[in-house]
Amino acid sequence: GAVVSQHPSRVICKSGTSVKIECRSLDFQATTMFWYRQFPKQSLMLMATSNEGSKATYEQGVEKDKFLINHASLTLSTLTVTSAHPEDSSFYICSARFDPGGAGGYTFGSGTRLTVV
Amino acid sequence: AQSVTQPDIHITVSEGASLELRCNYSYGATPYLFWYVQSPGQGLQLLLKYFSGDTLVQGIKGFEAEFKRSQSSFNLRKPSVHWSDAAEYFCAVGAGFQKLVFGTGTRLLVSP
Repeated sequence: GAVVSQHPSRVICKSGTSVKIECRSLDFQATTMFWYRQFPKQSLMLMATSNEGSKATYEQGVEKDKFLINHASLTLSTLTVTSAHPEDSSFYICSARFDPGGAGGYTFGSGTRLTVV
Repeated sequence: AQSVTQPDIHITVSEGASLELRCNYSYGATPYLFWYVQSPGQGLQLLLKYFSGDTLVQGIKGFEAEFKRSQSSFNLRKPSVHWSDAAEYFCAVGAGFQKLVFGTGTRLLVSP
C-alpha cells in the first residue's frame, strides 16, 4: 500500500521548453505532497510542499515562477519546470504523506531524471 | 530547525560482515526518524521508521535501528551484509509529519 507513481522516469528537453512531471498516489489520498531535487551524489533538497487545493509553499531560494506546482486533486500533483535551462538538469523526486496523524509515514516516487540540452 | 548528520560519506563492508551506519540528528522535541535506501537512478525505499515506543526498530531486509535520545542518534545496523545491499542510505528526521530533512547520505560498497 501507499504507492506513489511518478512519470516520466526520464525526460530530455531542449533549453527554453517546459517539462511537466506527474506524481499520482495510487491507493491512498495524498493531501500533502513534497517535491525534492537531488543533484548527483548529493542529498535530497526540499523544493516545495503542496497541499491539495491550495498554493504550494516553496523553500527559500526556489523560484516559484520557474517550478510550478499544482495539486488539484487528492491523488495528483504536478511539477512543471518552465523555460528549462541546462542548470535545471537534475533528479526530481516526489513524496507523499500517508496516514496523517497515525503511524504512517512518507512514500516516494521513483524519480524523474531531467536533462536539458 | 531540525538537521541530520551522516558522518560517513562512504563505507565499504565485506559481504557477510556486520554493518552500522551512523546518523545524528538535531531537533528540539521527539523526532520522527527514518532510514531510506536508494539504488542508482531510483527513488527512495523506506527501510524503517521510529515514531515512539520501543527504541529498537526492526525494518525490512534484515535492517534494524536504535534510537538513543541521550546521544541524539539513530544508527542503522545489519548483522550480515549481502552484495545487494550496496546502495545509498539516507537518514531523515521529520517534525510533526511536516517536511523531512535528509542527511547527506552514506554510500555503502560491499566487497566480495
